Order: sequence, then C-alpha cells, then structure tokens
Amino acid sequence: DQQVKQNSPSLSVQEGRISILNCDYTNSMFDYFLWYKKYPAEGPTFLISISSIKDKNEDGRFTVFLNKSAKHLSLHIVPSQPGDSAVYFCAAASGSARQLTFGSGTQLTVLP
Amino acid sequence: DSGVTQTPKHLITATGQRVTLRCSPRSGDLSVYWYQQSLDQGLQFLIQYYNGEERAKGNILERFSAQQFPDLHSELNLSSLELGDSALYFCASSSLGLGLYTDTQYFGPGTRLTVL
Repeated sequence: DQQVKQNSPSLSVQEGRISILNCDYTNSMFDYFLWYKKYPAEGPTFLISISSIKDKNEDGRFTVFLNKSAKHLSLHIVPSQPGDSAVYFCAAASGSARQLTFGSGTQLTVLP
Repeated sequence: DSGVTQTPKHLITATGQRVTLRCSPRSGDLSVYWYQQSLDQGLQFLIQYYNGEERAKGNILERFSAQQFPDLHSELNLSSLELGDSALYFCASSSLGLGLYTDTQYFGPGTRLTVL
C-alpha cells in the first residue's frame, strides 16, 4: 500500500517556465513533508520542506504548497532551469522516529 | 555535499556472502537512518539509530543488522546475501530525530551493492 504517491513518472518543461510536481498521501499521521532532488549515482539532496501547520513555504525559486484536506502537496519551480533536470522525490514523516516514507519520484526534464 | 559520507561507493559480491556498509553522519548529528532503494520498491526505510541506540525499524530483513558506535558512525551488515538484495543503500543523518517534527534528514551518496 503506497502511502505517498507521485502519479507522474515524468515531466518536461521549457526553460524559464513553471514546473509543477505533485504528490498525494493517504496517511493522516504525516505531519512533515519534504522534497528531495536526486541525480543518478548520488544521494537525495534536500530541497524544501513544509510542516502540517502551514500551507505554503517558499525558498527562492522553490515553493511547496500543502492542501491537508485533499492530502496533496505540490512543488513549484519558477523559473525552471536546465540544471533542475533530475528526479524529484516527495517524502513524508511521522512518528517519534521521523522515518521518511517516499514517493516513487518524478523525472523532471527542463528543455533549453 | 551533504556532509554525510558512505563507504564503499560500490560493492560487488556473491550470493551467500556478508558485507558491511559504513556511514559517517554530519558533524553533530545524533541520528542515523538507513534506506534501501531498489528498482521495484523505491526508497524504503530500514532502520534508525539515535546516539547509539536503535530507535525504529522499518522493512529490514532479519538477515540485515545495524549498529551505531560511540563516535556516531554507523554500519549496516547484510548477510546471506541474495540476488534481490542488489540495491542502492543510503544513509541519512539528522540532528535529533526525536520527534522534533521539522528535523530534516540529509543523505549520503549511497553504496551500490551488486550481488552476483
């Protein structure tokens, strides 16, 4: 049973435009959500996070939106750059140990 | 560079063998997490240690074990290896991992294990 879902395995966007990556979750106990970016043969790199008490968090070109009622979060990248091309993972934390449950990832390709 | 180091980067071994993966957390981080990324299962949590003690277990097989040493580095031991154990193994660290719910995990570069 996938508790964190990224239903789009891939996304292509033109350079300079907005990239929107989506993530859905089913477990109401998740209270902290993170986005990681991953290049091949490297570990996931932390991008941005949001706690369940907020609905938006912004850091430079990256904004994460959380809709708790819909159990949905999204990552907006504006403007998109070719260097943003990577696999993006959505992750959610719960419990006292804070272990992460990951989505299956979305491959973002930003076309020059 | 996340500050988390993992060795070795690559490991090739045979079925039935035993291997040890090593992780050094970021300076000052007390929590270490181990994750497995396989083609069919994605990134899955295996086990967490906090300041030398096991805190949580996920989908970790009985053939696998881990420990965290007084200097806070951690080792993941995989024994009686099977073909299906071939995967990327990531270590992550965080400063607390004790329910501070905005505690962020930072990942190492991973160890690619190939079982032939």
